[in-house]
Amino acid sequence: DVKVTQSSRYLVKRTGEKVFLECVQDMDHENMFWYRQDPGLGLRLIYFSYDVKMKEKGDIPEGYSVSREKKERFSLILESASTNQTSMYLCASSPLRRAGSGANVLTFGAGSRLTVL
Amino acid sequence: TQLLEQSPQFLSIQEGENLTVYCNSSSVFSSLQWYRQEPGEGPVLLVTVVTGGEVKKLKRLTFQFGDARKDSSLHITAAQPGDTGLYLCAGAKGSTLGRLYFGRGTQLTVWP
Repeated sequence: DVKVTQSSRYLVKRTGEKVFLECVQDMDHENMFWYRQDPGLGLRLIYFSYDVKMKEKGDIPEGYSVSREKKERFSLILESASTNQTSMYLCASSPLRRAGSGANVLTFGAGSRLTVL
Repeated sequence: TQLLEQSPQFLSIQEGENLTVYCNSSSVFSSLQWYRQEPGEGPVLLVTVVTGGEVKKLKRLTFQFGDARKDSSLHITAAQPGDTGLYLCAGAKGSTLGRLYFGRGTQLTVWP
């Protein structure tokens, strides 16, 4: 069964700590994404990557960084966690498709719920 | 600013009722998708529509893509408690990078 795995379902961290959220996909997908989900705000894109060592800022990159050293793994890093980063973090992946070749479908992980105290 | 406006934000109905969720934008999308998310899980794809005016049916769910490819609707007939969940629309702008733009979601609760 193909899937996206997020290593931590629940984390509790203190303000100022460095936080790593790991995501692994086994579908050989080129694209990987990190979203955060907050009630009433929907899914907001933090960063995405369309190739190893490549990254693009999404809509809310401030306070976050990412790392993609291998195709199957995309890590989200909070250098110094703050309380306003308490949220559900969703990782997703999708295959690379050329424009006009069909819609791009995202496969999501189950999410990592981070609480920063 | 939200590229896709989804309404209503909350919907609470009795089993057997019909409902419609709307997803609107001033932008044109190359395709539009609907996802459903249950508590503790990530969103799962329900359907993709790619042609203006396209209608797709998935059992009691009917999805429509507007003629101008700027809006979409999801209609559920005779809702059941198992339909409860967060429904998200997401649009693609045709780039090869695969980014999707999500609406804020509609939280549907169907009571028995």
